[in-house]
Amino acid sequence: AQSVTQPDIHITVSEGASLELRCNYSYGATPYLFWYVQSPGQGLQLLLKYFSGDTLVQGIKGFEAEFKRSQSSFNLRKPSVHWSDAAEYFCAVGAWTGNQFYFGTGTSLTVIP
Amino acid sequence: EAQVTQNPRYLITVTGKKLTVTCSQNMNHEYMSWYRQDPGLGLRQIYYSMNVEVTDKGDVPEGYKVSRKEKRNFPLILESPSPNQTSLYFCASSSEAGGPPDTQYFGPGTRLTVL
Repeated sequence: AQSVTQPDIHITVSEGASLELRCNYSYGATPYLFWYVQSPGQGLQLLLKYFSGDTLVQGIKGFEAEFKRSQSSFNLRKPSVHWSDAAEYFCAVGAWTGNQFYFGTGTSLTVIP
Repeated sequence: EAQVTQNPRYLITVTGKKLTVTCSQNMNHEYMSWYRQDPGLGLRQIYYSMNVEVTDKGDVPEGYKVSRKEKRNFPLILESPSPNQTSLYFCASSSEAGGPPDTQYFGPGTRLTVL
């Protein structure tokens, strides 16, 4: 069965520190992977996606993610966090047919000055 | 401006009173979908539509109906709402359907409370 696991419910980091949010997926075919961000009271916005090719993908707002097939992981990273990055982050996998999507439970990020 | 709109944004209703949450996109997208977001459960897909008159169930379709009579609109219907349908609902759309999954554009959400 398809599933996405985000093991960290909540993470707190200091402004300027590096960040890594973990995502593990279970999917029987080629995974199409996404990271979305949800600011308070807002809908979700795409940060980045991986379909194929280079396993390190760059996204908006200085985020990047690395696909590791051997570990079934797609971790999100940022070298220096800004206070405006405080939000909830969701990892998702899309079925290859493009119809169904499976989201993780989300990681809430708090940034302290 | 390209966007997905949902109405209403907030709704409090009572058990059994039929309601409809509207969703509209102005990007001529083929694919549309509904999700519910609950604490600790993330987003779960309710229904999706690959095109006009083509809809299918997601992971949690029980208690919901949808229709896609026009490309731009994808309303979510709760015929007899129950308290366990209290949730935050999101509509999303993406440009293509039937191939590799594409970026979804999300609406602002509808917070529904069923008493």
